[in-house]
Amino acid sequence: EAGVVQSPRYKIIEKKQPVAFWCNPISGHNTLYWYLQNLGQGPELLIRYENEEAVDDSQLPKDRFSAERLKGVDSTLKIQPAELGDSAVYLCASSFLRGRQFFGPGTRLTVL
Amino acid sequence: DQQVKQNSPSLSVQEGRISILNCDYTNSMFDYFLWYKKYPAEGPTFLISISSIKDKNEDGRFTVFLNKSAKHLSLHIVPSQPGDSAVYFCAASAEGAGSYQLTFGKGTKLSVIP
Repeated sequence: EAGVVQSPRYKIIEKKQPVAFWCNPISGHNTLYWYLQNLGQGPELLIRYENEEAVDDSQLPKDRFSAERLKGVDSTLKIQPAELGDSAVYLCASSFLRGRQFFGPGTRLTVL
Repeated sequence: DQQVKQNSPSLSVQEGRISILNCDYTNSMFDYFLWYKKYPAEGPTFLISISSIKDKNEDGRFTVFLNKSAKHLSLHIVPSQPGDSAVYFCAASAEGAGSYQLTFGKGTKLSVIP
């Protein structure tokens, strides 16, 4: 069974540029999570979807971050414009309903 | 304010010996605890969990102990193997949320020396 797929794996951009991350969850998993992991820290939830609905986006910085999950499968997380402090690993996870979360490998973002 | 604390950033253990990773929490509403393991350039993978109705859960070489009065849990790995070298995250959830709403600690990097 394929795991959670994320792309790109690495991204280097200059500040003020836009960037987008893509996540394909495990087949059949209706719940999708985006996490931010700063260096030396644990993952912190940015947004959680149940099917197409964002049920918790309280930690998403909405002035520059946006996310979508069309058709309740794949999801895209966007940052526009990126700032130096956005350099981090962005993790996507999925679960069946409220069950165990399975994580993708993450996208490492470097903002110069 | 860190609700889940892993106060040891790193730990080195000889192969074959016991590894003990510690985790403290401050939120008394937490009732479900998990340990995740993370290798470099990979996402965290689930290792073991424990509900607050138990004080011990065992899975092969891995055992998690929960001391609710002290708000403390620990992960024991016996015997430790070089392949166990990874970052271990403690996570917790509250009020019956199970794996749904997780708060993670900062992680402890375990190095098992051959």
